[in-house]
Amino acid sequence: EPEVTQTPSHQVTQMGQEVILRCVPISNHLYFYWYRQILGQKVEFLVSFYNNEISEKSEIFDDQFSVERPDGSNFTLKIRSTKLEDSAMYFCASRARAGTDTQYFGPGTRLTVL
Amino acid sequence: DAKTTQPPSMDCAEGRAANLPCNHSTISGNEYVYWYRQIHSQGPQYIIHGLKNNETNEMASLIITEDRKSSTLILPHATLRDTAVYYCIVPQSTGANSKLTFGKGITLSVRP
Repeated sequence: EPEVTQTPSHQVTQMGQEVILRCVPISNHLYFYWYRQILGQKVEFLVSFYNNEISEKSEIFDDQFSVERPDGSNFTLKIRSTKLEDSAMYFCASRARAGTDTQYFGPGTRLTVL
Repeated sequence: DAKTTQPPSMDCAEGRAANLPCNHSTISGNEYVYWYRQIHSQGPQYIIHGLKNNETNEMASLIITEDRKSSTLILPHATLRDTAVYYCIVPQSTGANSKLTFGKGITLSVRP
């Protein structure tokens, strides 16, 4: 069964460093998402991406964040200068097409900022 | 998104049916009800969704009331591995964005 994959599973970085979280969505899906979950809190929407551009972003997704689909398979989230409060689980999700809301999530990347 | 309300927690015995309720009284006519679950800190897992009719798949059944203001997710024979947080979500109408808004969900504890 096709699934969303994410790498790395755990990333440790120093405050102020840049990190790139990688996701491989399900093949032939068209809509891509990033969510995050701070320990003990709700899963929060960050950004949606379709047709090579951002469809919607939350207040969390400020200028420090960017997303990219550099090739036909990867979908990346970059945090330019990490802060302590960026420590969280980051989940990638993908959706097949308009007409369905079903999103399939990856296993997540645990980001720890020291 | 239409707001959903779930009790914070419930438990059930292994092998018994788990019935997880959800209220979504402000749901509009073309909005679906979705259920996801999250086991520990893993990625949310899609379970089932429905519009009006009851739905069943290999994981669960979804019962939606006739007025669509509430629904119940049924795990027919709960196992220890079903212990998780279950989210009832009513996404905004399908379109380019269709983001999911997660609440606190209901924590299901399956006891041996």
